[in-house]
Amino acid sequence: TQLLEQSPQFLSIQEGENLTVYCNSSSVFSSLQWYRQEPGEGPVLLVTVVTGGEVKKLKRLTFQFGDARKDSSLHITAAQPGDTGLYLCAGAYVYKAGGTSYGKLTFGQGTILTVHP
Amino acid sequence: EAQVTQNPRYLITVTGKKLTVTCSQNMNHEYMSWYRQDPGLGLRQIYYSMNVEVTDKGDVPEGYKVSRKEKRNFPLILESPSPNQTSLYFCASARDRNTEAFFGQGTRLTVV
Repeated sequence: TQLLEQSPQFLSIQEGENLTVYCNSSSVFSSLQWYRQEPGEGPVLLVTVVTGGEVKKLKRLTFQFGDARKDSSLHITAAQPGDTGLYLCAGAYVYKAGGTSYGKLTFGQGTILTVHP
Repeated sequence: EAQVTQNPRYLITVTGKKLTVTCSQNMNHEYMSWYRQDPGLGLRQIYYSMNVEVTDKGDVPEGYKVSRKEKRNFPLILESPSPNQTSLYFCASARDRNTEAFFGQGTRLTVV
């Protein structure tokens, strides 16, 4: 079983502050995805990182994939109340059995972010 | 509109009464999967399917069954539901294991 440890589990900050969410594993992933989930909805993809050391930016959000493809981070600059939500990392793991290629997507526990005005 | 549709959205049932949660996607995706979401545990994969007739267990498969007879549908079957299967369930589909997973709206199941 591939485990993804996501931290912190809860984050409560003031508008304008910066924050970082971490996702760590002992397993190597073929890709790492970050999702955001609103109450009553399914998760929605923010970004996918594939290459070790890759950095992607999405406005005020910066995503990084570790060199060894075992960890990732999400950094938000100048957080806003609209950033409030549940953030999830998910690692894609590929393996072969009996000549067939299988793939699993393992999620971290999630980070509940609250940004106060 | 590209979407993953789950039904029902809400379900209350009694212990031992077989139920099926349906999932359908209209994006011609090969990869489909089921997750349950519980507080503090995140999303845990129950079963997934790489293609028609190809399924495999996820991290928490006990008490669940799936089938993938056609590409668009991936129903989740609880043969004999128990209270510990009370949870929020999500179906998802993706073009392949590395690409974006599109999630359904979720099914909130309560087993009493």
